[in-house]
This record gives sequence, structure tokens and C-alpha cells, in this order.
Amino acid sequence: EDKVVQSPLSLVVHEGDTVTLNCSYEVTNFRSLLWYKQEKKAPTFLFMLTSSGIEKKSGRLSSILDKKELFSILNITATQTGDSAIYLCAVEDGSSNTGKLIFGQGTTLQVKP
Amino acid sequence: DVKVTQSSRYLVKRTGEKVFLECVQDMDHENMFWYRQDPGLGLRLIYFSYDVKMKEKGDIPEGYSVSREKKERFSLILESASTNQTSMYLCASSAPRDYNYGYTFGSGTRLTVV
Repeated sequence: EDKVVQSPLSLVVHEGDTVTLNCSYEVTNFRSLLWYKQEKKAPTFLFMLTSSGIEKKSGRLSSILDKKELFSILNITATQTGDSAIYLCAVEDGSSNTGKLIFGQGTTLQVKP
Repeated sequence: DVKVTQSSRYLVKRTGEKVFLECVQDMDHENMFWYRQDPGLGLRLIYFSYDVKMKEKGDIPEGYSVSREKKERFSLILESASTNQTSMYLCASSAPRDYNYGYTFGSGTRLTVV
């Protein structure tokens, strides 16, 4: 059975800290891995990763994929209270063209002032 | 700005009621999805649709059905609501091969069944 596992499930840090969120997967037909940030409402897209070893960056956030070891990490440097959210990792099932995503449990990050 | 709109933000229904959750997208996307989100379990796929009148079961379809009569609208139906269907329901849409953006999500409907 395909699965995506995130760790830790929750994390509390202080402003200025650096955090690393983990996502491992076992998906038979891997097409891509995506990260989303979810605050009060709809999850918003952060990154899509398809190739190993190529880091994607957006401001203080960065992510990288290792297709050999089947995991990805999401790094957030110099955290701010606005980074408090649920971070979702998902793997796209490539067995069809529908782009079905398999989600992990999510990591709840709380950044304290 | 592209949008996925879910008709209700919060709903409270009684056990046994038939419940309709509506989702509309304005991006002309072929694919639409219904997930439920529960603490510690993440997002679990209920049903998805890749074309008008086409639907496929996801991982947890029991107790749910869907309808897609028009491309822009995907409805989730709880035939007889039960308390274990209390959850956050998220609708999403995507275009095939749209590798840059993945899904676009709606804001969610928090359903409470009493």
C-alpha cells in the first residue's frame, strides 16, 4: 500500500530558529513530491520536486528530494510567527493522468515569539 | 486569481440527514477531488473525478457519493450523515500535466454531525 509519512507530527520552536521537516514515502508509481502550507484555510502550494538533489528555494524556505532514499526535507530558516502552520507533504501517484496525491499526516509547526 | 470555492465554511447537521457539500472551480480544470482532513491522519481521498460524469473511489469512499454533472462543479454527498463523518472536508482541482502548481484547494468545510 502506498504511503507518505511525515515527522515530527508537531514541533514548537522560537522565532529565529531553523527547522527541518521530514517526509518519507513508499509509492509504487512516483511522479513528484509536493509541499503545502496550511494556515486557517486552504493549503497553499510551496514546492514541487521531481528530481533528486536539486534544491528548490523560496525566501527562507527550501526543499530537496532524495529519490534513492525516498525522502524529502523542508527547511525553514530564521523562523517567524507567520510560519506557524500545518505543513503537508504529498506524493503524486503517476499511475494515471489524474494527478492523484497521497498525503502524509502533516507537521504542525508553532513558532513562539 | 484562480479559485476553488466551497459553498459552506461551517455546517452542523443531524445524524441521518442527507448532506450536500458543493465545490466550484473557475479554472476549467479536468480533475477534481474530495478529501477529508482529520488530526493525526492527514488528508484522505474520498472520491475524485477526471471528467464530467466520471468518478472514481478514493481510499475511504464508504458512506459518501459524488456527482459531477458540469465540469466546474463537484458535489460530495453524505447519504445518511453519521457522527464519524464529523471532519474538515477539502475540495481541490488540478489540470492534467500541470506540474507547476499541483492542486488548488478550496477553503474547506468544517462539518459537525450531532
